[in-house]
Amino acid sequence: DTGVSQDPRHKITKRGQNVTFRCDPISEHNRLYWYRQTLGQGPEFLTYFQNEAQLEKSRLLSDRFSAERPKGSFSTLEIQRTEQGDSAMYLCASTTALAGPNEQFFGPGTRLTVL
Amino acid sequence: TQLLEQSPQFLSIQEGENLTVYCNSSSVFSSLQWYRQEPGEGPVLLVTVVTGGEVKKLKRLTFQFGDARKDSSLHITAAQPGDTGLYLCPGTSYGKLTFGQGTILTVHP
Repeated sequence: DTGVSQDPRHKITKRGQNVTFRCDPISEHNRLYWYRQTLGQGPEFLTYFQNEAQLEKSRLLSDRFSAERPKGSFSTLEIQRTEQGDSAMYLCASTTALAGPNEQFFGPGTRLTVL
Repeated sequence: TQLLEQSPQFLSIQEGENLTVYCNSSSVFSSLQWYRQEPGEGPVLLVTVVTGGEVKKLKRLTFQFGDARKDSSLHITAAQPGDTGLYLCPGTSYGKLTFGQGTILTVHP
């Protein structure tokens, strides 16, 4: 078990560009979550998947954001036409019904900087 | 909506000191997790408490869950610089974690 991995760890982009992040959950974890964290704040929920189904999206997730989990394993989060306000740490977490109640296991995050 | 309050927001201490941080909720926790997050990294799960009054120890860290399951405390004995980080105790709503601002702990050598 290698834990949750995220790629890239850091991304610097210019305003208006599209970016895509990848998350590989712990194998056999059927639930996958995306969170966003800005400096000095706790993470905020963006969206989550059970297997390949996207079950909930936060109001924080504007139309420029899209997430997929096509085969129920890895997930991607795409941001189109990035804005400076999108600069944040994007965290992925995974869990399974076999884990302890409400336990989620986080990846190291992708730090996005929009210039 | 569950409202979470963690205190203090900031704590700066010297190595070897003891400290306690608190987590309070407006509603009952079904279970409660404590996470520690180091700068530039994701949160790491420290412990899960489920039963009111439960006490769990993890080396120098002692976690206590309130009898009414609406509050929790984390006590660190003889803090070390490696304890530095953001301590988080999220609430849970339909599987989603809801985080407060957390407590930023800095332990100076």
